[in-house]
Amino acid sequence: QVQLVQSGAEVKKPGASVKVSCKASGYTFTGYYMHWVRQAPGQGLEWMGWINPNSGGTNYAQKFQGRVTMTRDTSINTAYMELSRLRSDDTAMYYCARSGEQQLVQGYWGQGTLVTVSS
Amino acid sequence: EIVMTQSPATLSVSPGERATLSCRASQSVRSNLAWYQQTPGQAPRLLIYGASTRATGIPARFSGSGSGIEFTLTISSLQSEDFAVYYCQLYDNWPLTFGQGTKVEIK
Repeated sequence: QVQLVQSGAEVKKPGASVKVSCKASGYTFTGYYMHWVRQAPGQGLEWMGWINPNSGGTNYAQKFQGRVTMTRDTSINTAYMELSRLRSDDTAMYYCARSGEQQLVQGYWGQGTLVTVSS
Repeated sequence: EIVMTQSPATLSVSPGERATLSCRASQSVRSNLAWYQQTPGQAPRLLIYGASTRATGIPARFSGSGSGIEFTLTISSLQSEDFAVYYCQLYDNWPLTFGQGTKVEIK
């Protein structure tokens, strides 16, 4: 079965960077886009972008352009999301989500990684 | 950027009753709309894509309809596990925008 296991919670200071990992299993890693979605405490969902694990191609939401980098390591079936120049309003749960029957739909989700930005 | 507006913000329903949730787009998204369910402390779960196609393993009591700018998610007979927050999401354009969510609570 499809499983996405994310790295553990992080606490960062403003201005720092964070890199979250998402290890995939149960399917062909290079066959499906990997999306990243975040959710601030008590708030709704915000799509950040996707990476095509086959080509490495990416598409980022304009809001995060210049601050986010999505990469992958196909040798270990793992996707990464790095967010730089962190601010307090970046405090959120960050989810990886594999595409479903359609590449732009988030069909399977990781458990989430809480990133807290605090001085 | 297309704005997705969900209504109502909160819906109070008794178990076994029908729930109807709405999602409106600021411009046409054709049928490129998905619905997700999120229970407290859990990751979202895909329910519907293509406006009306149930995702794998989703019970038949969940149904989606609509196209263009008006969409509806219907839960025909609410079960205890259906009390959650529901989000619509467009995937017809960038960015892939979510609505603000509708909370379905026990009446």
